[in-house]
Amino acid sequence: DIQMTQSPSTLSASVRDRVTITCRASQSINDWLAWYQQKPGKAPKLLIYQASSLQSGVPSRFSGSGSETEFTLTISSLQPDDFASYYCQQYLTYPYTFGQGTKLEIK
Amino acid sequence: EVQLLESGGGLVQPGGSLRLSCAASGFTFTSYAMTWVRQAPGKGLEWVSVISGSGGVREYIESVKGRFIISSDSSKNTVYLQMNSLRAEDTAVYYCAKGDGGHDYWGQGTLVIVSP
Repeated sequence: DIQMTQSPSTLSASVRDRVTITCRASQSINDWLAWYQQKPGKAPKLLIYQASSLQSGVPSRFSGSGSETEFTLTISSLQPDDFASYYCQQYLTYPYTFGQGTKLEIK
Repeated sequence: EVQLLESGGGLVQPGGSLRLSCAASGFTFTSYAMTWVRQAPGKGLEWVSVISGSGGVREYIESVKGRFIISSDSSKNTVYLQMNSLRAEDTAVYYCAKGDGGHDYWGQGTLVIVSP
């Protein structure tokens, strides 16, 4: 199975900060990577697909980059609504695997 | 408007069975794969199973192979997850999601608790 490793596991930041979350794949997944945001008690929400394509309706402060084995999710200017958990997912090879998650907390 | 509505969760004893359902609306059901993802309490997301729009392709995570069966009924626009020989480690919220990766729509989730 392809292992997905996110870092950091927890990130403390302030409103208007620029933050970056990294996701590394144990083997090349080309650009078959998605990013999700999840708030407590809610279903995940798709932010980015195909590594860098912004899902419709998602604010432009979210961006994704990378290919092969290393990927990043960047939030250019944190807003109060962005404090949540974030997950990457590879969808090149079954079983499609998620990273362990990054919890973005208010500093 | 796309909607996914899961049902069928509950409390079950170890070794027991449950069937989860996910009723879909707002899109052409047979044009999309459907996926089950679970989340144990306080833990991360885990991909469980997928079925293609035609029903001809089914894939599972290793830990549920031989115990879970995914199926779909296009006349009801519903995907199912039959869960047998349940274990404590299957305790989780189970979500259905539209598509095969890069899931743009998710249900609200249904809680499965496996406990004596």
